[in-house]
Amino acid sequence: DAMVIQNPRYQVTQFGKPVTLSCSQTLNHNVMYWYQQKSSQAPKLLFHYYDKDFNNEADTPDNFQSRRPNTSFCFLDIRSPGLGDAAMYLCATSRQGFTDTQYFGPGTRLTVL
Amino acid sequence: GENVEQHPSTLSVQEGDSAVIKCTYSDSASNYFPWYKQELGKGPQLIIDIRSNVGEKKDQRIAVTLNKTAKHFSLHITETQPEDSAVYFCAAYKAAGNKLTFGGGTRVLVKP
Repeated sequence: DAMVIQNPRYQVTQFGKPVTLSCSQTLNHNVMYWYQQKSSQAPKLLFHYYDKDFNNEADTPDNFQSRRPNTSFCFLDIRSPGLGDAAMYLCATSRQGFTDTQYFGPGTRLTVL
Repeated sequence: GENVEQHPSTLSVQEGDSAVIKCTYSDSASNYFPWYKQELGKGPQLIIDIRSNVGEKKDQRIAVTLNKTAKHFSLHITETQPEDSAVYFCAAYKAAGNKLTFGGGTRVLVKP
């Protein structure tokens, strides 16, 4: 009965090789978020969607892109991963916005060689 | 922008004792304050939240207090158990800018 599913759980890529992380939800929530979390740090919001309305954080590098083809799925594309992009990537959903409970997936740990 | 400071960064308590984590925020316009628990290898999970029109909220062994004048809010865990060991994050939301700002996290270790 997983509600927010992330695949893969672990991803290894080479420096500069594009990678896509995926997230799906069974909650039918309107809002989906992508966070980057580095070791011993708080999650850092990269972007979020209100339905199909995309909202990019001002300090999210251009290297990071996202797609939300439908309510259930959301993808994070890293066009040219650098060593500094190695992190845990968390997907979350909420019903209407930031003041609703955010349900997080288990995360994808990205390693860049 | 909003700044949220969280203390302490690590907290070790004996099983059965209480744990208190404190967060301060900078923007008095912030009006929603969730607390998340993150266990090792998992995503954060909301454990309790409070809105600015309420001073205290309890849920079994967990309580949150909010002091709007002083701009701080605290998480209280009573009768701690080993399964309370995790990293806890506070956050503050401000409608202007539609932004949720996280604190730096507190690693809690409950010793049996």
